[in-house]
Amino acid sequence: AQSVTQLGSHVSVSEGALVLLRCNYSSSVPPYLFWYVQYPNQGLQLLLKYTTGATLVKGINGFEAEFKKSETSFHLTKPSAHMSDAAEYFCAVIPIQGAQKLVFGQGTRLTINP
Amino acid sequence: EPEVTQTPSHQVTQMGQEVILRCVPISNHLYFYWYRQILGQKVEFLVSFYNNEISEKSEIFDDQFSVERPDGSNFTLKIRSTKLEDSAMYFCASRGGPTNTGELFFGEGSRLTVL
Repeated sequence: AQSVTQLGSHVSVSEGALVLLRCNYSSSVPPYLFWYVQYPNQGLQLLLKYTTGATLVKGINGFEAEFKKSETSFHLTKPSAHMSDAAEYFCAVIPIQGAQKLVFGQGTRLTINP
Repeated sequence: EPEVTQTPSHQVTQMGQEVILRCVPISNHLYFYWYRQILGQKVEFLVSFYNNEISEKSEIFDDQFSVERPDGSNFTLKIRSTKLEDSAMYFCASRGGPTNTGELFFGEGSRLTVL
């Protein structure tokens, strides 16, 4: 079964600093990969996704993620954190074949310090 | 832009009562899902629905839960006899089809509080 591991349930960075949120998946066949963001008391919003093609994908709000097959990783980065980036971030995968459900990681709460 | 809509946004109920959460998926989508998120925890898969039947369900989705697509537009989740531990945010999601890129579109969620 697919699983997703997000390293660090809570990440805190200063405003203007680099944001790095880690995600690793377990699968012999690379799945489709997603990052969703959840702002306080809101639903899940897609930040970016990787399906095929270029391994560096850009999303909304200046975020990007790089798919590294050799490391089974899909880490999320942003060069310069903004206060409005404070939220919960979920990495998720859906297999290309087989069960067609989205499997989420446990989430990483990002806090931005002024 | 098309979106998934959910009602109610918040429901408070007494333990043992039946609850129906409603969702209107994006109109040309074929796959429908319910997920839940207990406060402070991860988003958990409950059930997926395709071609008017359940395609997969998790161990959470026991006999107290059911789903229905009664009229071709709405997609409902029913909890027959709510328990305290059913208190959570319930998210509905939909997806286009088997050849698309797998992205699920989520609603804003329905917060269920069981007293």
